[in-house]
Amino acid sequence: GNSVTQMEGPVTLSEEAFLTINCTYTATGYPSLFWYVQYPGEGLQLLLKATKADDKGSNKGFEATYRKETTSFHLEKGSVQVSDSAVYFCALSEGYSTLTFGKGTMLLVSP
Amino acid sequence: GAVVSQHPSRVICKSGTSVKIECRSLDFQATTMFWYRQFPKKSLMLMATSNEGSKATYEQGVEKDKFLINHASLTLSTLTVTSAHPEDSSFYICSASRLQGQPQHFGDGTRLSIL
Repeated sequence: GNSVTQMEGPVTLSEEAFLTINCTYTATGYPSLFWYVQYPGEGLQLLLKATKADDKGSNKGFEATYRKETTSFHLEKGSVQVSDSAVYFCALSEGYSTLTFGKGTMLLVSP
Repeated sequence: GAVVSQHPSRVICKSGTSVKIECRSLDFQATTMFWYRQFPKKSLMLMATSNEGSKATYEQGVEKDKFLINHASLTLSTLTVTSAHPEDSSFYICSASRLQGQPQHFGDGTRLSIL
């Protein structure tokens, strides 16, 4: 079956630090890959996505590249802000029909 | 576009009470809606998938009689937690998509606390 593994948090950074959150996946087919963000007390918002190998999804300064050879989709941001503090979920879907989520990584950014 | 509203955002009630949570797609017609449960420090677990006008498909281990799902219209799905107990306390999130196979849009979730 499909599964998503992401690094455990919390990840604690100072403002303007570089962020990497690792995500690897296992899939039976050729999935689409997503990063969702969940701010405190809220639902999930789609942050970025990639649908095929070597695609790079990007949004709000965040980037992730679909690496089929390493089955990875690591999230990066060059300079984090306090407002980026949230829980980040890596997810995959085959045809959008069902999303499989990782356990989530909490990011805490201090001023 | 693609706004999903979930109500209530928070509910606290006594053990044995039944609680209904609504999920509405505000600016699109949602043929398919999904209900997830999120445990503390854990991922979202898909509970069920519902298609408008038909019975929901429940994931393994989810009690159908405990978590009643109704998707009677293209803009509304409801989840009713029947005879809720403290172990049902959790964060419940719905999502909706225009068609099966289209991207899901998430609601803001409902924090359910059973005393």
